[in-house]
Parts: sequence; structure tokens; C-alpha cells
Amino acid sequence: AQKVTQAQTEISVVEKEDVTLDCVYETRDTTYYLFWYKQPPSGELVFLIRRNSFDEQNEISGRYSWNFQKSTSSFNFTITASQVVDSAVYFCALLTRRAGNNRKLIWGLGTSLAVNP
Amino acid sequence: DAGVTQSPTHLIKTRGQQVTLRCSPKSGHDTVSWYQQALGQGPQFIFQYYEEEERQRGNFPDRFSGHQFPNYSSELNVNALLLGDSALYLCASSLRDTEYEQYFGPGTRLTVT
Repeated sequence: AQKVTQAQTEISVVEKEDVTLDCVYETRDTTYYLFWYKQPPSGELVFLIRRNSFDEQNEISGRYSWNFQKSTSSFNFTITASQVVDSAVYFCALLTRRAGNNRKLIWGLGTSLAVNP
Repeated sequence: DAGVTQSPTHLIKTRGQQVTLRCSPKSGHDTVSWYQQALGQGPQFIFQYYEEEERQRGNFPDRFSGHQFPNYSSELNVNALLLGDSALYLCASSLRDTEYEQYFGPGTRLTVT
């Protein structure tokens, strides 16, 4: 079975706090991709990061950082010094590369982040 | 370079009616995927089109059908609308064999009353 679990449904923080969004995935495939998307109230999904299964190097992009650990099947996302504009729903997703054509994105349920001034 | 576009932005329909949503992929992309996102949920994969054929399908009834045109644009059709079909419908485009680079459109918000 392939599955993405985002255990945190809602998180509320005060501006400038650091916040970590958790993502745990399940797959039997050895080759796969993991994603994080941001969905602001406007509805459009904004791509944040893609990581393939062979690259466990953590990544930092400005105030955003990602921690990929295959040993725990986790791909967590941290926002440092959060801002009100970070308020959105964040989705973690998994894309596997099975034989055949079954290559679709599997999504978590999302974490709604509210950053309060 | 235009990104993925979808039309209309919003739509209100009545139960039992039929609806057609449209998607134009990002320039150079040949594969279109459709997703349904109910309120408070993650996107659910409906189907994917490549070379004008449905290549993959999610767990959606036959009321959901689609089409891809020679210019790679795509339509999603839903027949016999139910209240539960109310959702944001997202279109994503990519190149065949590079589904890890999917670009999403702004979505069409469908309300069924």
C-alpha cells in the first residue's frame, strides 16, 4: 500500500515562531519522489520542493527547510521565523515509479497552518 | 510562457446536470492529470490523459469522463451531478515520463446545489 500521513490537521503559531510540519509515507517501491505543496486560500497549489528517494540530503531554501529520513519514512518541513503570509494548507505528496503506468501523486490530507500576528 | 490555465474559475450547477471543465497545459507539456479536491481534503486523482487517451484512472465512477485534444488541452466531463461532486477541480500538466514535474492550474470551483 502507498500512503501519506500528515498527522497534524491544524497548527496555530504566533509570527516569528518556528514550526515543523510532519509527513510520514508508506511505499514498497525503492524509487519514488516526495513533494511539498502550499495551498493558499486562493486554491492554487504552489510547488515548494521535490526530493527523490536516492537523495537524503536535507535542503534549505530561505526560511524553509526539509528533513528527509528514509529510516523513518519521514519528510518533514520546517518554517523558521514564520510570517503571516505562510498561512496556508500544506500538502505532502508521494509519486512512485512502478512498472507499468501507475504513476500518480498520492496526497496527504494536508496541514492547515495559521500564523497569527 | 503561459502556465496551466483552467476555465471557468467558478461554476454553479444543479443536481442531475452535466458539466464540462477545461484545461490548457503548460507550453510544451503533453500529459494532463485531473484531481478532485473536496473541502478540507487532499486532492484525489481522477484520471490522466496522454496522446488523447486515458492512461490511468483513479477510483471515480464512469460519470467522470474526459478527453484530450491534439493540442494537448483537456476536458473533464461530469454527468448526473451529485451534491458530493462539489469540489475544487485541479488540472496538472507534465511531460510524459516526468510526472515528478507536474504543474498545477488554479482550479475550477464547482458547486452543485
